[in-house]
Amino acid sequence: QTVVTQEPSLTVSPGGTVTLTCASSTGTVTSGYYPNWFQQKPGQAPRALIYSTSNRHSWTPARFSGSLLGGKAALTLSGVQPEDEAEYYCLLYYGGTQGVFGGGTKLTVL
Amino acid sequence: EVQLVESGGGLVQPGGSLRLSCAASGFIFSTHVMSWVRQAPGKGLEYVANIKQDGSEKYYVDSVKGRFTISRDNAKNSLYLQMNSLRAEDTAVYYCARALSGGVTGLPFWGQGTLVTVSS
Repeated sequence: QTVVTQEPSLTVSPGGTVTLTCASSTGTVTSGYYPNWFQQKPGQAPRALIYSTSNRHSWTPARFSGSLLGGKAALTLSGVQPEDEAEYYCLLYYGGTQGVFGGGTKLTVL
Repeated sequence: EVQLVESGGGLVQPGGSLRLSCAASGFIFSTHVMSWVRQAPGKGLEYVANIKQDGSEKYYVDSVKGRFTISRDNAKNSLYLQMNSLRAEDTAVYYCARALSGGVTGLPFWGQGTLVTVSS
């Protein structure tokens, strides 16, 4: 069974920078896993932020960026705002069609 | 504007069945891969199933294989999830989501979800 692992929780100060990561139990994450990132706030549906490793959607603020880092997919938030406090999920695709979400990272802005 | 509206959720007894629907608008439904994603109360997201544009190929997560069936009606711009032999662990909010244009991956657009509760 494929497992995608994220940090359970992270804390960042307003205006700071934080990097969330997404690892695969199968090994190194590459662009072929088409990493996606989502933000979810309480009581709301998830909102897509990043697709195919590093592409922002038209509505995604420029302070969100995606990359591959040390064998993992990564989401970096620069100049963090209070409204960025949320749960963040990564999604990896296996064999091009089988999607698996990570367990989520609860980001606290403090 | 892309809109996805789920319906059909509710309370069902263990072993029962339920059919979820997702009405799509604002895009050419027949040209997009569609997916179902669920979220148990207080838990993370789980990718449940997807279906290709013409319905010829379907993917299911292991936990629902043989019990759930994803289907679509392109003439009605609608996506469905037939859920049989429901278990307590299927209790979740079920989201309908659309893939990126021209591809299988990515979920840029989501509905607001419909709650399924499996309990006696």
